[in-house]
Amino acid sequence: AQTVTQSQPEMSVQEAETVTLSCTYDTSESDYYLFWYKQPPSRQMILVIRQEAYKQQNATENRFSVNFQKAAKSFSLKISDSQLGDAAMYFCAQIIGGSNYKLTFGKGTLLTVNP
Amino acid sequence: EPEVTQTPSHQVTQMGQEVILRCVPISNHLYFYWYRQILGQKVEFLVSFYNNEISEKSEIFDDQFSVERPDGSNFTLKIRSTKLEDSAMYFCASSDVSGHSSYEQYFGPGTRLTVT
Repeated sequence: AQTVTQSQPEMSVQEAETVTLSCTYDTSESDYYLFWYKQPPSRQMILVIRQEAYKQQNATENRFSVNFQKAAKSFSLKISDSQLGDAAMYFCAQIIGGSNYKLTFGKGTLLTVNP
Repeated sequence: EPEVTQTPSHQVTQMGQEVILRCVPISNHLYFYWYRQILGQKVEFLVSFYNNEISEKSEIFDDQFSVERPDGSNFTLKIRSTKLEDSAMYFCASSDVSGHSSYEQYFGPGTRLTVT
């Protein structure tokens, strides 16, 4: 069974600074996809960024980027120039390709952004 | 931009009652999912649905749960006899799993179910 681990229950960052959220995963499959979802207080699940395991290049979406270390099974999220609106719970998640495509989530990291 | 919608946003029910949570997935999507998030905990997979049948279900999805796609647009989750521990946020999601997709799942805003 696949597992996703987020070892940081809470993190904080100063506005305009950079923060990195950690995630590790465990799968023996070679075809998989990794995601970071943001959940603000409204509890809506918002996709932040995705990474295909077969791509060596780290995904980037504006101020959000990932550090995908396939051998270490690590998938961290870096938020640059943090903004107050980035404050939320962040979930790391994985899909195994060729399966029924269910998302397996980590327990989440609560990010606080201090003004 | 197309989006997944869910109704109601909040449902309060008494223990033992039946509830139906409704979802309208994105129209050209083929896979549909229900997830559950108990307050303060992680999001858990309940069930996936494809080609008018369940493709996978978790151990949480026992006989009290059922899903249905009664028409071409709605996707419902029925809980037959609710328990206190069913209180949670229920998310519907859909995806277009094609050869060129990234398996991205689009989530609805959720239905908060409170069982009293």
